Amino acid sequence: GAVVSQHPSRVICKSGTSVKIECRSLDFQATTMFWYRQFPKKSLMLMATSNEGSKATYEQGVEKDKFLINHASLTLSTLTVTSAHPEDSSFYICSAPQGEHQPQHFGDGTRLSIL
Amino acid sequence: GQNIDQPTEMTATEGAIVQINCTYQTSGFNGLFWYQQHAGEAPTFLSYNVLDGLEEKGRFSSFLSRSKGYSYLLLKELQMKDSASYLCAVMDSNYQLIWGAGTKLIIKP
Repeated sequence: GAVVSQHPSRVICKSGTSVKIECRSLDFQATTMFWYRQFPKKSLMLMATSNEGSKATYEQGVEKDKFLINHASLTLSTLTVTSAHPEDSSFYICSAPQGEHQPQHFGDGTRLSIL
Repeated sequence: GQNIDQPTEMTATEGAIVQINCTYQTSGFNGLFWYQQHAGEAPTFLSYNVLDGLEEKGRFSSFLSRSKGYSYLLLKELQMKDSASYLCAVMDSNYQLIWGAGTKLIIKP
């Protein structure tokens, strides 16, 4: 069964709306979670590393004020796309390693469409 | 810089065997992962190699040579459902995953 749960799976909303995506680790604690973005037929692009109890680490070129990350507990990280615009439309995927040096397990992803 | 290379696309026949290669240049090495990703879905974990040699898991096997910076994923008895992208990823010295662009595998009847 799934070890990482991500919700919602699909969001369609108007430009200017803020959208929150949740990523939960099931049956294990994740001090670190990762947020990726993927455009059609392109590779995964790491956006940021979410750290429980501290600030997220953002990759170069990713706006931290645009993509707010909160890792409030050992099993939950959230990504909020603020004031979303059509260019933010993409497939967003979270992942978490089940332990130190362990493979990352992915959520099912969230397909975000901004009209 | 850090670099992962794998072919963009491969085609194989149902029932056959296919080998997907991955070469890497990274700052340090803490393991190599293979993931399968079907179109429109999130990646799913296939295999993990940290020592040289072959790891077999059913129809799928993964090989690693650290001295050559090289790995391959071997898929046997191909089925139509194996049509997907296969992603190679290396964990560097900072335990960050460096991702390849993926190999799209097309299976023909």
